[in-house]
Amino acid sequence: EIVLTQSPGTLSLSPGERATLSCRASQSVSSNYLAWYQQKPGQAPRLLIYGASSRATGIPDRFSGSGSGTDFTLTISRLEPEDFAVYYCQQCGGSPRYTFGQGTKLEIK
Amino acid sequence: EMQLVESGGGLVQPGGSLRLSCAASGFTFSSHWMSWVRQPPGKGLEWVALIKQDGSEKSYVDSVKGRFTISRDNANKSLYLQMNSLRAEDTAVYYCARVRGSLAYGMDVWGQGTTVTVSS
Repeated sequence: EIVLTQSPGTLSLSPGERATLSCRASQSVSSNYLAWYQQKPGQAPRLLIYGASSRATGIPDRFSGSGSGTDFTLTISRLEPEDFAVYYCQQCGGSPRYTFGQGTKLEIK
Repeated sequence: EMQLVESGGGLVQPGGSLRLSCAASGFTFSSHWMSWVRQPPGKGLEWVALIKQDGSEKSYVDSVKGRFTISRDNANKSLYLQMNSLRAEDTAVYYCARVRGSLAYGMDVWGQGTTVTVSS
């Protein structure tokens, strides 16, 4: 079973700054089956990125995903007030099955 | 508008059963893999189960295998999760979610969630 480890656990930044969130897999993620989600308190998750680097419908271009194999990154180029939330990476493995990382909380500094 | 609406959550005693439902609208339900994802209070997301478009393939997280059953009714655009032998650690908000095309493309439509509390 592939384990996803996200870092840091909490990231404190100011609006306008650049955010870099990491997701590391315990084994190679096949065909870049890696997605990123944003979740705000009391809300359902929202798909941001799929296939490691493709933005989902309606997602602003300040969000970008990169990486391959075992190391993936979500970058938010210039933080807007509404971007402060918890972010999760997720992979699809064999069986099939999904796995989530433990999440990174992006908070206002 | 694409929408998923869950129902069926509630308070149940340990060892009890509950059936969650998810009603889909605004998209071709029968064309998509569907999934259940849960979130214990104050914790992160945990994938629970997946089902293929025609119901021929199903998969589960190890912790619910043999206790939970995912199913679907394409004619009525509905997804279900039958939960038996419930434990305290099953307490969570349960979300149904649509898989966006291929399994590689993530889950792009989510319900608002239904809360399951397992307690005596």
